[in-house]
Amino acid sequence: GAGVSQTPSNKVTEKGKYVELRCDPISGHTALYWYRQSLGQGPEFLIYFQGTGAADDSGLPNDRFFAVRPEGSVSTLKIQRTERGDSAVYLCASSPGAVGPRTDTQYFGPGTRLTVL
Amino acid sequence: AQSVAQPEDQVNVAEGNPLTVKCTYSVSGNPYLFWYVQYPNRGLQFLLKYITGDNLVKGSYGFEAEFNKSQTSFHLKKPSALVSDSALYFCAVRDYGNQFYFGTGTSLTVIP
Repeated sequence: GAGVSQTPSNKVTEKGKYVELRCDPISGHTALYWYRQSLGQGPEFLIYFQGTGAADDSGLPNDRFFAVRPEGSVSTLKIQRTERGDSAVYLCASSPGAVGPRTDTQYFGPGTRLTVL
Repeated sequence: AQSVAQPEDQVNVAEGNPLTVKCTYSVSGNPYLFWYVQYPNRGLQFLLKYITGDNLVKGSYGFEAEFNKSQTSFHLKKPSALVSDSALYFCAVRDYGNQFYFGTGTSLTVIP
């Protein structure tokens, strides 16, 4: 079946602009995660959804970052007033989430490379 | 605090030789440990995980990992390396919540 997809694959924007990054999880997966990966680093957790609700948003760096998942499937990560330091690859992952979320395998999308000029 | 350390930024191994990519962890409670591989311009791909049970875990593409509780390690291994194994490898630990904590990655180069 189809894996996790993310659009766009690349996004170049100017400092101060607003951007939206989209994630389509694997069909039927109730858990969805966003991570940010800077050059030379491992992915860093941003936010976790179980269904439509954000179960853990402790990784969001500040209030310029926001994510939604209104119907429990597709999710959008929104970044307001972008800064050059926001440049990174944004990864989305999904997992079945129904039972034992701690042991679930997360399946990652290819990422969106965001460049803020 | 939960954390993962991958002490080697780069590992080089000759094709056909055994390979090891090291990972140590620090976590409260029982560790749930994962290995992922990342190819250029592609997402992270799941290799294997340790939840409980046998300390030797077998995964995709002939990889395996050994959980060692006393040494708090979860090293990734393969008996015979292939050139196509060249990629970036990440170890991750899951805590009592739902976050993954990733290491900084180890770049593996298999030399023909």
